[in-house]
Order: sequence, then C-alpha cells, then structure tokens
Amino acid sequence: EPEVTQTPSHQVTQMGQEVILRCVPISNHLYFYWYRQILGQKVEFLVSFYNNEISEKSEIFDDQFSVERPDGSNFTLKIRSTKLEDSAMYFCASTNTGTGETYEQYFGPGTRLTVT
Amino acid sequence: AQSVTQLDSQVPVFEEAPVELRCNYSSSVSVYLFWYVQYPNQGLQLLLKYLSGSTLVKGINGFEAEFNKSQTSFHLRKPSVHISDTAEYFCAVSTPLQGAQKLVFGQGTRLTINP
Repeated sequence: EPEVTQTPSHQVTQMGQEVILRCVPISNHLYFYWYRQILGQKVEFLVSFYNNEISEKSEIFDDQFSVERPDGSNFTLKIRSTKLEDSAMYFCASTNTGTGETYEQYFGPGTRLTVT
Repeated sequence: AQSVTQLDSQVPVFEEAPVELRCNYSSSVSVYLFWYVQYPNQGLQLLLKYLSGSTLVKGINGFEAEFNKSQTSFHLRKPSVHISDTAEYFCAVSTPLQGAQKLVFGQGTRLTINP
C-alpha cells in the first residue's frame, strides 16, 4: 500500500540553524500539506501546496518557513533560523484531490524536531 | 473559520467495555468530519470520515461515529474495546470547497484501555 514517508525521523539542531525536513508524498497525489504538533498539544496546520505554489498558510508559517517541491517526488519544509519554540513533531500529508471522492489526507510518520 | 472541541482529554476504560469519545465542532459553512488515530510514536491514521449521506459512518477497527448537525457533534463509539485501541484520537473538520482544504484538529483524547 502506498504511503507517505518522511526523513529524518528525528532531527536535533541548535537555535539559529537552518533545517530541512523532507517528505515523499504518495506518487499520484496533487495536494501537499505540513502540520506540526507541539508536545502535548493538538495538531496544527502550517501550509498547503498545490500546482507548485502555496494554497494557504497559517499564522505560524511566517517568513522563517518555506516549502518547495524540488522534483517530482520530494516535498520539503525549510526553517531558516530555528527557535526553541519550533521544537515539535512535523507531519507531512498528501491527498489526491481537494474535492474528491475520498478526501482523505494521508499522513507520514512525522519528523521530531528538537531545537536546543 | 472552523474549530473543534474534544471535551475529554483522557478516557480510561476497561477492556471489552464500550467507549464514546466526544467531538463538537463550530463552523459557519458545511463541513466534512474525520476521526484520526495516533498510536504511540506513529503518524496519524484515518479511522473514518463523514462527507455526506448517512449520518452513521463505520470505520476501521470496529469504530463508528454519528454526525448530528443540530448538535454540531461527531462522537466516536466502539461497543467493545481492546488493549490495542490504546492511542490518541483526534477529531478534525474540513470544508467541502474546491482546493487544498486544510484539516482543523481538536485537542485530542487519550484513550487508555485497562485490563
């Protein structure tokens, strides 16, 4: 069964450093998302991406964040200068359509980012 | 804007007992509703979804949920739980509009099954 994959599973970085979180969505999917979950809190939407551009972004997704689909398979989230409060589990998700029959977003296993 | 409230942060239940996890939502437009499960150290897995039609939806692992528009609720139920159901459960909403619609999640309910 196809699945969303994410690398690395755990990333430790120092405050102020840049990190890139990588995701490989399901191959025929068209819509891509990043969510985050701070420890003990709910899952929060960060950004959605379609047709090589951002569809929607939350207030959390400020100028320190960027997303890219550098090739036909990867979908990346970059944080330019990490802060302590960026420590969280980051989930990538994808779906094949925004108005489709299934409307299910498939989630990856997550990358745990720890900023020290 | 949509919001989701899961009233119970933790629910302890004995094995083979029934369980109900509560979810209420707020939205000015019609919604799609979802329940996701997160097992320890894993990602989110879809349990079931309501898009339209019958208000009682059945999902995987014996779970079901009922959409109640007048009460703006989408409670999750299982008649008999197993130890393996121990996990965090998230209720989420989205809107049936064209485009890449985000999911808005509730706070989550930690279900603990005791032997």
